[in-house]
Amino acid sequence: AQKITQTQPGMFVQEKEAVTLDCTYDTSDPSYGLFWYKQPSSGEMIFLIYQGSYDQQNATEGRYSLNFQKARKSANLVISASQLGDSAMYFCALGPGTYKYIFGTGTRLKVLA
Amino acid sequence: DTEVTQTPKHLVMGMTNKKSLKCEQHMGHRAMYWYKQKAKKPPELMFVYSYEKLSINESVPSRFSPECPNSSLLNLHLHALQPEDSALYLCASRDDRASLGYEQYFGPGTRLTVT
Repeated sequence: AQKITQTQPGMFVQEKEAVTLDCTYDTSDPSYGLFWYKQPSSGEMIFLIYQGSYDQQNATEGRYSLNFQKARKSANLVISASQLGDSAMYFCALGPGTYKYIFGTGTRLKVLA
Repeated sequence: DTEVTQTPKHLVMGMTNKKSLKCEQHMGHRAMYWYKQKAKKPPELMFVYSYEKLSINESVPSRFSPECPNSSLLNLHLHALQPEDSALYLCASRDDRASLGYEQYFGPGTRLTVT
């Protein structure tokens, strides 16, 4: 069975500082992907970054990077130089298993001025 | 262009009404999804269409009826809903042709209130 866990319900970070959002997963599939989405209060889920299970290097997209530790089954999101607009709910997801994606419970991030 | 559009943005309906939600994408994606999301919870999968055929129905009550008229369009027909069906309904699409990635692109959602 597939499982994904986000243990931080809420986080605070000072503007311009870096923050790490934790995500651990469990799957028996040899091939899988890990995804991070941002959901502002408006509701839209915004795709941020993807890491494939066979990727040797950690994924990066602008200020977002994914700290992928396969042996530990973790895929933490690092946001560098936080901005006020980064305040949102962040979801980690595991997939696709026959089209299905498993979402974590989310971490609400608040950036402080 | 990675846009998925959804209409309407907001919908209020009575328990005896019939309404429809619409989702559209022009990215050539062949997998399309409906999710239901309650406040402060992750999205819950409802339906998946692949190449315009229903691939997954997560035991959704029959008062929700999906339809995929063509590869760009996905509808969700609503009938005799209950107040507990009030939620944000998200549509998503994915490019099945990709060998890597498989990320979903979501629409802005429809906030549904059932009175």
